[in-house]
Amino acid sequence: AIRMTQSPSSFSASTGDRVTITCRASQGIGSYLAWYQQKPGKAPKLLIYAATTLQSGVPSRFSGSGSGTDFTLTISCLQSEDFATYYCQQYYSYGTFGQGTKVEIK
Amino acid sequence: EVQLVESGGGLVQPGGSLRLSCVVSGFTFSSYSMIWVRQAPGKGLEWVSYISSSTITTYYADSVKGRFTISRDNAKNSLYLQMDSLRTEDTAIYYCARDAYGSGSSMYYFDYWGQGTLATVSS
Repeated sequence: AIRMTQSPSSFSASTGDRVTITCRASQGIGSYLAWYQQKPGKAPKLLIYAATTLQSGVPSRFSGSGSGTDFTLTISCLQSEDFATYYCQQYYSYGTFGQGTKVEIK
Repeated sequence: EVQLVESGGGLVQPGGSLRLSCVVSGFTFSSYSMIWVRQAPGKGLEWVSYISSSTITTYYADSVKGRFTISRDNAKNSLYLQMDSLRTEDTAIYYCARDAYGSGSSMYYFDYWGQGTLATVSS
């Protein structure tokens, strides 16, 4: 089974910061990667698919990059509503999620 | 407006059973593969089971294989998860979600999610 490892597991940041979250696959997955945002008590929300494609309605401050085994989610200018937990998911073989990265307010 | 509404969660003893339902509206249900994803308290996301639009293809996570059964009724716009031989480690919020690709037989990413239903397995 493909394992997805996110780093860091959590970190603190301030509004306006540029933040980057990393996701690494245990084997090559091409560009079969999605990113989700989850806020407490809510369902996950799709942000990015195919590693770099922004889901309709998602602000352009979110971007994704990478292919193969290494991927990143970048938020260019952190807003208050962006404090949440972020998950990557590979869909090259079934649909494994990473363990999540919690972005907290500094 | 796309909506997915889960129900059927509750408290059950180890070894017991629950049947979760997910009723959808706002899109042509029969054209989309669907999935159940769960989240244990304070933990991350885990895909549980997938069913193709035609019901021909189903997948199960190793953790639930042989105990859970996914099904759907396209005429009723409904997705189900029959959970048998429940264990304490099955305690989680269970989400149904739509596979964004549509009617394939491989799992993709998920563009619409329900609000979840909590299943608690405890004596």
